Amino acid sequence: KQEVTQIPAALSVPEGENLVLNCSFTDSAIYNLQWFRQDPGKGLTSLLLIQSSQREQTSGRLNASLDKSSGRSTLYIAASQPGDSATYLCAVRASLGGATNKLIFGTGTLLAVQP
Amino acid sequence: KAGVTQTPRYLIKTRGQQVTLSCSPISGHRSVSWYQQTPGQGLQFLFEYFSETQRNKGNFPGRFSGRQFSNSRSEMNVSTLELGDSALYLCASGADGTGELFFGEGSRLTVL
Repeated sequence: KQEVTQIPAALSVPEGENLVLNCSFTDSAIYNLQWFRQDPGKGLTSLLLIQSSQREQTSGRLNASLDKSSGRSTLYIAASQPGDSATYLCAVRASLGGATNKLIFGTGTLLAVQP
Repeated sequence: KAGVTQTPRYLIKTRGQQVTLSCSPISGHRSVSWYQQTPGQGLQFLFEYFSETQRNKGNFPGRFSGRQFSNSRSEMNVSTLELGDSALYLCASGADGTGELFFGEGSRLTVL
């Protein structure tokens, strides 16, 4: 059974710092991995999608890496801003030949960026 | 391009009642999946529909059901509501090919 863990559970940093959020999963047979952010009381916003054949993806100040063999992904946020404050969730999609969109989510990292 | 639309956004029900939530996916997306989010359990998969067929189902009691229409819009229904059903219900629309999921704002259900 796939389990996804995110460390740390909460993180507080001063504005301008670079930071890394970690995600680990127990079953390396994944189709892809997706990072989301969630603001309080809101839905999920897709940040980055990494296919199982890829090592990393970048979007603006965000960079996500994937190491399937070790069951790990990291989300790197450069030059953090107060607007980055949110809960960050990683989710893996099982490798069933693409025949499912079921995601298994981690418990999230609550990020606070202090001005 | 319009995003995923969920209605209603907020609703309050009492125990024993039933509720129906609606989700309109992104135009062209044939896959819709539903998730329940609670502080204690986090995000949990309910079920998934693709071209009007249930493709996958999570570990929830039979009180939770869903369907998908020919225009890809989906509804989920919860019957005989319990206090523990209070949660944020999120709908996700799946892009063919990449498999990227896009979520709506959710329906916040409170059961009294």
